[in-house]
Amino acid sequence: DTAVSQTPKYLVTQMGNDKSIKCEQNLGHDTMYWYKQDSKKFLKIMFSYNNKELIINETVPNRFSPKSPDKAHLNLHINSLELGDSAVYFCASSQGQGAANTEAFFGQGTRLTVV
Amino acid sequence: AQSVTQPDIHITVSEGASLELRCNYSYGATPYLFWYVQSPGQGLQLLLKYFSGDTLVQGIKGFEAEFKRSQSSFNLRKPSVHWSDAAEYFCAVGALRNTPLVFGKGTRLSVIA
Repeated sequence: DTAVSQTPKYLVTQMGNDKSIKCEQNLGHDTMYWYKQDSKKFLKIMFSYNNKELIINETVPNRFSPKSPDKAHLNLHINSLELGDSAVYFCASSQGQGAANTEAFFGQGTRLTVV
Repeated sequence: AQSVTQPDIHITVSEGASLELRCNYSYGATPYLFWYVQSPGQGLQLLLKYFSGDTLVQGIKGFEAEFKRSQSSFNLRKPSVHWSDAAEYFCAVGALRNTPLVFGKGTRLSVIA
């Protein structure tokens, strides 16, 4: 009964490959996010979706493409992976848009290593 | 836009000692403030949050935090630290509009015997 689940937990891949990370939430939340945590533990928002609609797209290379087939899922596809993409990627969800009186619930993270 | 500063990158305390982790925010209106904890290899777990009302908020695991508007601070405290509290702690600020949480750079807590 995991609230926000991401798969895979670990992903090791070669430069130039294309990979996807899946995220699902069973909380009935309207808003989902992708955050990137770098090697210094800094968490930075990448994307935010509300009811399947993109509402926030920070300065992220267009090799990163989120897809939300329904409001319970937000997948992240990455093309032409680069060494600098190595990081931990966290999916999160919240009831309202942004903070909106609720906190964000986080998945366990996907540790991506590009070699 | 809102921002968060956690001045301490790494803090070491003895088990049983008290703890205070600092957090300063920048936001033009009333902020929504959060503290999250991240254990090694894990996701983020919410410790506590402040939206309005009593400026001293209680959270899980014996943590509390106090919102001080005059100092733009939301420091996290615990009277007696346990070895299992060793983790990374993140302060975050949210806003009314549809913006996601903005996180500080985190404070790593080490606990020694």
